[in-house]
Amino acid sequence: QTVVTQEPSLTVSPGGTVTLTCASTTGAVTSANYPNWFQQKPGQAPRALIYSTNNKPSWTPARFSGSLLGGKAALTLSGVQPDDEAEYYCLLFYGGVQPLVFGGGTKLTVL
Amino acid sequence: QVQLVQSGAEVKNPGASVKISCKASGYTFTTYVIHWVRQAPGQRLEWMGWIDTDNGNTKYSQNFQGRVTITRDTSATTTYMELSSLRFEDTAVYYCARDDCSNGVCFLYWGQGSLVTVSS
Repeated sequence: QTVVTQEPSLTVSPGGTVTLTCASTTGAVTSANYPNWFQQKPGQAPRALIYSTNNKPSWTPARFSGSLLGGKAALTLSGVQPDDEAEYYCLLFYGGVQPLVFGGGTKLTVL
Repeated sequence: QVQLVQSGAEVKNPGASVKISCKASGYTFTTYVIHWVRQAPGQRLEWMGWIDTDNGNTKYSQNFQGRVTITRDTSATTTYMELSSLRFEDTAVYYCARDDCSNGVCFLYWGQGSLVTVSS
């Protein structure tokens, strides 16, 4: 059973920079996993932030960026704003019997 | 504009089935794959399956052991997700999401969610 792991929680100061990561028990995350990142606030549906490692929908602010870092997918927030406080989930594509697996989520606190 | 509007909340007994709808508007329905994702209270998102709305082909998560069925009605531009043999742990918010990527996967548009409560 493939497991996708994220930091359970992170805290960042307003204006600061933070990197969230997404690891896979199958090995290094690559572009072939088409990493996606979503933001979810309480009581709301998830919102797409990043797809295919580093591509952004039109609504994603410039302060959000995606990359591959040390065998993991990464989401970096630069110039963090209070409104960025939320849960962030990654999604990886594997194909095969179990094609898609979400990470456990990272609760980002802006303090 | 693109909209995915889901059916309302449901309360079901254990062992029953539930069928949730996701009506699409604002685009050509058969152009995009629709995925279903659920989230139990306080838990992570969980991918359930997808349907190619053009040809009806489906793929399901092995985690549901044959309990999930996804269908579509192209004339109604609606996708359906049916979950059978409900258990208490199936209590969750269920989402549909449109996959905008022909190469890879990207859930850019989501429905508002449908709460299913399994209770005796």
